[in-house]
Formats: sequence, structure tokens, C-alpha cells
Amino acid sequence: EAQVTQNPRYLITVTGKKLTVTCSQNMNHEYMSWYRQDPGLGLRQIYYSMNVEVTDKGDVPEGYKVSRKEKRNFPLILESPSPNQTSLYFCASSPVQGRNSPLHFGNGTRLTVT
Amino acid sequence: GDSVTQMEGPVTLSEEAFLTINCTYTATGYPSLFWYVQYPGEGLQLLLKATKADDKGSNKGFEATYRKETTSFHLEKGSVQVSDSAVYFCALDKTNFGNEKLTFGTGTRLTIIP
Repeated sequence: EAQVTQNPRYLITVTGKKLTVTCSQNMNHEYMSWYRQDPGLGLRQIYYSMNVEVTDKGDVPEGYKVSRKEKRNFPLILESPSPNQTSLYFCASSPVQGRNSPLHFGNGTRLTVT
Repeated sequence: GDSVTQMEGPVTLSEEAFLTINCTYTATGYPSLFWYVQYPGEGLQLLLKATKADDKGSNKGFEATYRKETTSFHLEKGSVQVSDSAVYFCALDKTNFGNEKLTFGTGTRLTIIP
């Protein structure tokens, strides 16, 4: 089944403790992206990657890192999480870089930082 | 910058009622427009899209028409069902140097009561 898989689904951590949220897609998509969803703000892009070893900042990259060593994986790294990073995170992918390619989303990771 | 404004929720309707969720956008150039739906506990799924002015996107009984003159993309359904209860996001897509970034509205939560 074609899908984007994120892990974990739920994560509670404390301020300053490094964490990684994994994202993997099995559709051989070139493009991958991370969004965060907050009430009243919709979804905002954190980072994106157009292909292996090619990543760039989205609208809200502060406090996050990403890597794209393989085509299928795009982990999101929080080196020193803070409470304002408490949010619902989504990974997404699409087959090509052109317009009109729909994004395929994972089921989300709900992160709480205390 | 680009932005999407959609009607505030939540919206509660009775089964078989007519649904309209308003969406307007601000963007330079010619964006593509999308409606995504998020069911409880899941990621976003593409519901429908329109890529140019006067295009009508449709899927699962939902429709939306790309109106450039009013910069709108309102979502409609003639007879809603309980299974349509979800959060609906309007979004626009403008690829900038390969970044397939979607700009989302804040989402409208729809609840259908039997």
C-alpha cells in the first residue's frame, strides 16, 4: 500500500531533550516536506526537500533540522525542544516537483514538550 | 505574500443539508487551488483541485469552482452525510524554484448530525 509513515504517533518529552520524528514513504517520491499544524494557524511548512541531499527552509524552520540521505526517508530533528514546539506534525511527499502534484500526508505526530 | 482565508468554524449541519464552506485567496500569478480533508486521527487527503480559472473540481459529491474574478474557491455539497464530518482545508499551490509549497487556510471543522 502506498503510504507515508511517521513515527511515533504521540510523543511527550521535556525541554531540551533531543528527539527525532521519522518519516518514510514507499512511493519513490522525489519531494518531501514537513508541516506543523496549530489551532487557528492551519498548516505551516517547516522544511522541504526536492531530492536526496537537497533540503531547504520553509516558513517556520527555527528550532528544527532535517536530513535527506535516502530518497524514502526524511527525519525531523529537534535538537533542543521547547514548549512552543508543542504541535501536530505532518510529513508529506509528492512524486514530482511540478505544480498540481497532490501531496500525500502521513497520519501525524502529536508532540508535547513540557 | 500568498494567503488563504476560509470561513471560521465549527460548522454543524443536519444530515442531507446543503453545505458551503467559503474560501478566498490572495496570490500573485496563477496558483492552483485545492481542498484537503482531514478525518479524525488521520493526515490530510486531497479532496479536489482546480488548476486554472473557471475550472471546477469535484469528488465524492463535493464541488468547487475556481473564480479568478472574486479570488474564491468555495466548497459545496448538495446533501451531506454523517461520514462527511471532518476538518476541511482550502489551499493554494505556487511552485517557487521547485518548492511544492501549499499555503493553507486555518481549516473549518464540519460536524454532521443525524
